[in-house]
Amino acid sequence: DAGITQSPRHKVTETGTPVTLRCHQTENHRYMYWYRQDPGHGLRLIHYSYGVKDTDKGEVSDGYSVSRSKTEDFLLTLESATSSQTSVYFCAISEAGSGGYTFGSGTRLTVV
Amino acid sequence: QQQVKQSPQSLIVQKGGISIINCAYENTAFDYFPWYQQFPGKGPALLIAIRPDVSEKKEGRFTISFNKSAKQFSLHIMDSQPGDSATYFCAAIGGADGLTFGKGTHLIIQP
Repeated sequence: DAGITQSPRHKVTETGTPVTLRCHQTENHRYMYWYRQDPGHGLRLIHYSYGVKDTDKGEVSDGYSVSRSKTEDFLLTLESATSSQTSVYFCAISEAGSGGYTFGSGTRLTVV
Repeated sequence: QQQVKQSPQSLIVQKGGISIINCAYENTAFDYFPWYQQFPGKGPALLIAIRPDVSEKKEGRFTISFNKSAKQFSLHIMDSQPGDSATYFCAAIGGADGLTFGKGTHLIIQP
């Protein structure tokens, strides 16, 4: 997906370990979002950012933290991964906060 | 509380037929209603979107119908093709709190 890159694309980790997912954009968009996608639940918002060092919680923020020290990077951290956090994680960007979002290709995270 | 309800969960349509996916919302602060298309292994991609000041928007074979009084909107895919087989998500947003998504419809177009 042009302008937005997620890393890693796949990760397997053990319960209780910390995990950080990275979202990098080259579009200079102000807004960035982290969603998780699970069967039967669609996409649910974890955290979002409306500027450098400005972040807020979404619908399913428990167990997750985020940081945004630069416009282009938005990091999602699972402080102590649990099996319930096995999911596909998507980052999205938006220029205006409303309107269309552009999504990354996702990170498939498996917690064993 | 689910703010955007989407139906059906899955849909099978014959090639050339019309695919219809419906969504209903509750939050009257929503002011932008996009539809996203997602293929396996890919992120969702914006397909078409509408604002509540219009009742219909058409882009090629894809049409959104919007009923503000009923708080419902739907996606119609005309002349459905096998390449349209994907998962479709309706969504809504009002303000900067992020898009709220429906749970998705898995669409299969049979040749």
